[in-house]
Amino acid sequence: KAGVTQTPRYLIKTRGQQVTLSCSPISGHRSVSWYQQTPGQGLQFLFEYFSETQRNKGNFPGRFSGRQFSNSRSEMNVSTLELGDSALYLCASSTGLAGFETQYFGPGTRLLVL
Amino acid sequence: AQSVAQPEDQVNVAEGNPLTVKCTYSVSGNPYLFWYVQYPNRGLQFLLKYITGDNLVKGSYGFEAEFNKSQTSFHLKKPSALVSDSALYFCAVSGSTGGATNKLIFGTGTLLAVQP
Repeated sequence: KAGVTQTPRYLIKTRGQQVTLSCSPISGHRSVSWYQQTPGQGLQFLFEYFSETQRNKGNFPGRFSGRQFSNSRSEMNVSTLELGDSALYLCASSTGLAGFETQYFGPGTRLLVL
Repeated sequence: AQSVAQPEDQVNVAEGNPLTVKCTYSVSGNPYLFWYVQYPNRGLQFLLKYITGDNLVKGSYGFEAEFNKSQTSFHLKKPSALVSDSALYFCAVSGSTGGATNKLIFGTGTLLAVQP
């Protein structure tokens, strides 16, 4: 079974621009979660989508948004980029049916904001 | 609120020696605990999890973890370390307090360095 895929793998943007990241979950998984990883803040939960609905949200400003499509693929958008948004963005998928489900992570998208 | 703590930023161990990476947790309700490993420029790889039952959980690549309710700990162990085990290890707890959510709350990570 194919794993979680994320595109693009690397991205360079400038301040003020916006960016869209994509995540394709494991086949059959309906939950996709997004995380931001930075050296200073570590791994932080952004949001979770399940069956096209946002089920949970972390403590990030409204510039960070996401959506999920009917095929469970998910996109994350960051508007008005700031230098501090430079990070590794990870998505993870699971069946989403219980809180103890194993989440499987993609390789991440490394975003650099100049 | 759910949280985990990894008290050691780095653990150094010689190849062939046993290793332990520490994790303590604070949860309301039943703890669902996870260990993940991250190699450079890679995503997170699942190692093992504790849901309920046997306190000793066996996982991938020879790793195991011991759940201790009285000490609120979930330490990761391996009897004999390999140089290839050198990586960043994360302990995590499910953010669920009963509902079905896949929010994970991560510790700060522990860098494991295995010397040949």
